Amino acid sequence: AQKITQTQPGMFVQEKEAVTLDCTYDTSDQSYGLFWYKQPSSGEMIFLIYQGSYDEQNATEGRYSLNFQKARKSANLVISASQLGDSAMYFCAMKGGGYNKLIFGAGTRLAVHP
Amino acid sequence: GAGVSQSPSNKVTEKGKDVELRCDPISGHTALYWYRQSLGQGLEFLIYFQGNSAPDKSGLPSDRFSAERTGGSVSTLTIQRTQQEDSAVYLCASSDAGLNEKLFFGSGTQLSVL
Repeated sequence: AQKITQTQPGMFVQEKEAVTLDCTYDTSDQSYGLFWYKQPSSGEMIFLIYQGSYDEQNATEGRYSLNFQKARKSANLVISASQLGDSAMYFCAMKGGGYNKLIFGAGTRLAVHP
Repeated sequence: GAGVSQSPSNKVTEKGKDVELRCDPISGHTALYWYRQSLGQGLEFLIYFQGNSAPDKSGLPSDRFSAERTGGSVSTLTIQRTQQEDSAVYLCASSDAGLNEKLFFGSGTQLSVL
């Protein structure tokens, strides 16, 4: 069975600093994908970044990067130069194999302070 | 339409009544998901449709919940004999098939059971 764990219910960071949101996963699949989504207070789900299990490089998308440590089964999201608009819920998610469902972690609420 | 459409956006019902929630996925997307999100919580997987395969119903919380997807497109989530604990936002999402395909989410249906 697949499982996603986000152990930080809440985090805060000062504006312009970097922050790391933790995510660990468990799967028996050799091929899987890892996703991060942002959910601001408006409720919409915004895709941030994707990492495939066979990707050798850590994924990056602008200020977002994914610190992928396959042996540790961790896929932490790093947000550089935090902005006030980054305040939101952040969800880690995983899809195993080619046609398995996407499951989500419990989420981390990030607050960016000026 | 250009995005995933859900209707109604809000539904208030009385305990014991049946409700139907509708999802119009992005045209051509073979995968369709239903999730439930209680206030301030994570996304609880309910059901997953992929092409013509049998749906993955492993997340449905009870036999009061059912869903169908007609013609590989529109999906309806039905909750029979609603209970107060069914109150939540019900999110629908669709994607292309494939491990790296991100989900596109609808705006959700806010269900309130009085």
